[in-house]
Amino acid sequence: QSALTQPASVSGSPGQSITISCTGTSSDVGGYNYVSWYQQHPGKAPKLMIYGVTNRPSGVSDRFSGSKSGNTASLTISGLQPEDEADYFCSSFTSVSTGVFGGGTKLTVL
Amino acid sequence: QVQLQESGPGLVKPSETLSLTCTVSGYSISSGYHWGWIRQPPGKGLEWIGTIYHSGSTYYNPSLKSRVTISVDTSKNEFSLKLTSVTAADTAMYYCANMEYQLPSRYWGLGTLVTVSS
Repeated sequence: QSALTQPASVSGSPGQSITISCTGTSSDVGGYNYVSWYQQHPGKAPKLMIYGVTNRPSGVSDRFSGSKSGNTASLTISGLQPEDEADYFCSSFTSVSTGVFGGGTKLTVL
Repeated sequence: QVQLQESGPGLVKPSETLSLTCTVSGYSISSGYHWGWIRQPPGKGLEWIGTIYHSGSTYYNPSLKSRVTISVDTSKNEFSLKLTSVTAADTAMYYCANMEYQLPSRYWGLGTLVTVSS
């Protein structure tokens, strides 16, 4: 299984919105509504931010939202804040009943 | 609340077997949920290793399948990872987590660094 494709880096200024894409195939992202997003600060374990493409766990800010179109899922962060600076990873269920991650995107808040 | 904690040797010799345990507290591992392992080489991205269902069914990353075993010990409320014939490429931070639809969910361990070196 190949890793999902994410941009290596994105950046934005405080208050702005950014979108991180996650591209797979019809055998993963495009075939199932089981896409999750994780935030990871340096030296910390990843934290679940979005599951089931669009759902936020309790306690996650509503500035974080997820969507999907075809084989590409997206994470949008609105009203960027300095503490949003982190690495973000997407993941998807696959047709062989495994999981697969994206390569990760480093978000810089300018 | 549910907490997970990884434990095991931090240093493993090449060609030997890496063995890690994840102890779950605040939840009975046999009550439901699925459980799994994820790893992250230093400075790199996340890699999905595998999942074990509370039924005992297991699912592994095809690239690791020949070397990986995940098992559960309900009496100790823990689950384990064994990875055989390790090389330097297996050096990574290893995380355990609860899994939903094969994907890590909201409960993660803090991670444990395993270095493969002679």
